[in-house]
Amino acid sequence: NAGVTQTPKFRILKIGQSMTLQCTQDMNHNYMYWYRQDPGMGLKLIYYSVGAGITDKGEVPNGYNVSRSTTEDFPLRLELAAPSQTSVYFCASSYLDSYEQYFGPGTRLTVT
Amino acid sequence: QKEVEQNSGPLSVPEGAIASLNCTYSDRGSQSFFWYRQYSGKSPELIMSIYSNGDKEDGRFTAQLNKASQYVSLLIRDSQPSDSATYLCAVLSSNTGKLIFGQGTTLQVKP
Repeated sequence: NAGVTQTPKFRILKIGQSMTLQCTQDMNHNYMYWYRQDPGMGLKLIYYSVGAGITDKGEVPNGYNVSRSTTEDFPLRLELAAPSQTSVYFCASSYLDSYEQYFGPGTRLTVT
Repeated sequence: QKEVEQNSGPLSVPEGAIASLNCTYSDRGSQSFFWYRQYSGKSPELIMSIYSNGDKEDGRFTAQLNKASQYVSLLIRDSQPSDSATYLCAVLSSNTGKLIFGQGTTLQVKP
């Protein structure tokens, strides 16, 4: 099993550009999450999904969108990138809601 | 008051010593608590979970929970240089059902 995979690993965006961060898991987990982590800070929940077709906002959803068309994939869309979105983004999945989350390797995003 | 609070450190201990990492939380209704380890430039990895008051041991790691005092701690016995990492405390919110993470404590184990 590959676990949770994320692409790309690194990306530099210009202000106003858009991009999609990809996340895929092969553990058949229903629950998936997107977090951002700023330097010296803990993880903040952006969006989560409890299954295909069902998503909901987390603590810091502004500027982001998600979709969940399959159990495996949970892409995160950034529209109109802003410098405040410079961060490391982690995707995670779990079998039970919020318990024992498995994290992907992360995407380091810089917006300039 | 932060929802989940940790001393950012760094906490420096010599190899072979016991490292003690602490975490306090504000949500009295929280019932589930987790410790994640994060090596520099890597993703968090779950190392312990605890749900009941008292101690829970797993190898060199012991998690301690005191719900009345609203703190949870992680003890690492016989610390090794490979334990050098940031340790994130996470608390399951009784309001949202989602994890709230502390900012993490950086541990340095010196040979």
